Amino acid sequence: RKEVEQDPGPFNVPEGATVAFNCTYSNSASQSFFWYRQDCRKEPKLLMSVYSSGNEDGRFTAQLNRASQYISLLIRDSKLSDSATYLCVVNRYTNAGKSTFGDGTTLTVKP
Amino acid sequence: NAGVTQTPKFRVLKTGQSMTLLCAQDMNHEYMYWYRQDPGMGLRLIHYSVGEGTTAKGEVPDGYNVSRLKKQNFLLGLESAAPSQTSVYFCASRKQTDTEAFFGQGTRLTVV
Repeated sequence: RKEVEQDPGPFNVPEGATVAFNCTYSNSASQSFFWYRQDCRKEPKLLMSVYSSGNEDGRFTAQLNRASQYISLLIRDSKLSDSATYLCVVNRYTNAGKSTFGDGTTLTVKP
Repeated sequence: NAGVTQTPKFRVLKTGQSMTLLCAQDMNHEYMYWYRQDPGMGLRLIHYSVGEGTTAKGEVPDGYNVSRLKKQNFLLGLESAAPSQTSVYFCASRKQTDTEAFFGQGTRLTVV
């Protein structure tokens, strides 16, 4: 079993739709969590950190459930520009900050 | 602000050739990483460094070597390239272990 697993996708949704991605992690010692966005053939860029209390940034909401060891990302009112691959990332501080990446979930938003 | 810069951006090698990929960051970050990304897959850690003069193996270190002689630079070497090393290579750096990682633009390497 992979340490970080994501919904494989792809997700194809119309503009304006709400879409949710889930990610599970297996190491209970994991301590910090992130969602990164990667556009085709480009480098990953931080979308948002994920906090225990949940956090929101505009149309994006991230949730963390430590008991069940999963992270979610909700995108409301999808835009064409949201089309990308979303990577779930998990860190352990005692692991030299090495990040474990999920394989990513691809989202395509269509007109 | 340059952030993280990788050179070269593209390269084609013949099997058995050697090359060095350079990663430079201007953010005074302690932690630096080299990843490879293959089609449809996530990033896999090759080697990493927790500070100047230190390096350690990641998940897929075989066939690669690294050096961090200066804090701002992290070099990835391929001594004898193989077709299995055809990939996109990303360098990343972070200030602390729980902070955002910043990535370079990637190096697309093809080994024929």
